[in-house]
Amino acid sequence: DTGVSQNPRHKITKRGQNVTFRCDPISEHNRLYWYRQTLGQGPEFLTYFQNEAQLEKSRLLSDRFSAERPKGSFSTLEIQRTEQGDSAMYLCASSLRGGRVNEQFFGPGTRLTVL
Amino acid sequence: AQKITQTQPGMFVQEKEAVTLDCTYDTSDQSYGLFWYKQPSSGEMIFLIYQGSYDEQNATEGRYSLNFQKARKSANLVISASQLGDSAMYFCAMREINFGNEKLTFGTGTRLTIIP
Repeated sequence: DTGVSQNPRHKITKRGQNVTFRCDPISEHNRLYWYRQTLGQGPEFLTYFQNEAQLEKSRLLSDRFSAERPKGSFSTLEIQRTEQGDSAMYLCASSLRGGRVNEQFFGPGTRLTVL
Repeated sequence: AQKITQTQPGMFVQEKEAVTLDCTYDTSDQSYGLFWYKQPSSGEMIFLIYQGSYDEQNATEGRYSLNFQKARKSANLVISASQLGDSAMYFCAMREINFGNEKLTFGTGTRLTIIP
């Protein structure tokens, strides 16, 4: 049983460039989440999908950010015109709807550095 | 709005001793869930334990137990017989259980270091 995977693990880019991250959830999980974690802080919620539908977006998700989950499987998070303030760890998680706990299983994250 | 507070930025504990990591929360909802996650230096968040707001018993999972005091709005994590591999960041998180809300709100974490 493979866990949540994320690619790339590290990304260094110059300010103003676009970047795209990919997340592959646990295969039977229908919910997928994106979080952002900056140094010394806990993860902050960005958005989540149930199957292919994006059901909630945080105010943190400015119009430069877009997330998709076209077939209800993997998801991509794109940041356009990156800024130095976008430097952070981007975490993806997945869960299975139903059950009492609905714990979210996290991937290893993509660390973004914007120069 | 839901909020999680972890007041211990760092803790040092001797191996084999028990350790308590503090967590207080704020919510106006009656139905919510509390989670603890471990984040080793590799970065991956590992789910440890869950407590529902209506659970009468404190949750336990192996060496982990959750000291849930609802009136005080606290959900402290207790790790018994600490091991070197317990050294990591620990995050308390909450989810308000209402229709459509799936996000976890995390605290700022506690860095635990186990001393041999």
